[in-house]
Amino acid sequence: DIQMTQSPSSLSASVGDRVTITCRASQSISSSLNWYQQKPAKAPKLLIYAASSLQSGVPSRFSGSGSGTDFTLTISSLQPEDFATYYCQQSYSTSMTFGQGTRLEIK
Amino acid sequence: EVQLLESGGGLVQPGESLRLSCAASGFTFRTQAMTWVRQAPGKGLEWVSGTSGRADSTYYADSVKGRFSISRDNSKNTLYLQMSSLRAEDTAVYYCAKLIEFSSGRGYFDYWGQGTLVTVSS
Repeated sequence: DIQMTQSPSSLSASVGDRVTITCRASQSISSSLNWYQQKPAKAPKLLIYAASSLQSGVPSRFSGSGSGTDFTLTISSLQPEDFATYYCQQSYSTSMTFGQGTRLEIK
Repeated sequence: EVQLLESGGGLVQPGESLRLSCAASGFTFRTQAMTWVRQAPGKGLEWVSGTSGRADSTYYADSVKGRFSISRDNSKNTLYLQMSSLRAEDTAVYYCAKLIEFSSGRGYFDYWGQGTLVTVSS
């Protein structure tokens, strides 16, 4: 299976900060990378697909970039509702895998 | 509005079986690939299984292959996951999720249900 590694595992930031989360694949996955946000006791929500395409209805402060093995999710100006756990997911192989998650906390 | 509603979770003993259901509405179910994703308590997400719209292709994670079976009834707009030989490590919230398929069995999950908890314990 393709292993997905996110960094950092947790992050403290303040409202208004610019935040970047990194996801690295164990092999090249082209642009087959998606990002999700999950709040406690809720289902995940799709943010970004195909590395950089913003899902309909998702605020434009969220953006994604990267290809091959290295990807980033950037939140340009953190809002109170953005404090959550973020997961990357590869869709390059049929056995799709997720990163371990990055917990974004309020500083 | 797309809605996915899981049911069938509960407490079972190791080795027992359980069937989960996911009732779908708000989209043309028979044309959409569907999947199951699980999340163990306090842990991350794990893709479990997927099926094409016509159920002519099915996919499984190695961790459940041979024990779980995914199916669907397009006349009832319902997705199923038959789980057998359950183990403690299968304890998780099970989500059904609609898959936007780029290629056979692969893609991104654009809608999720609220999840149903399966606990495997003696």
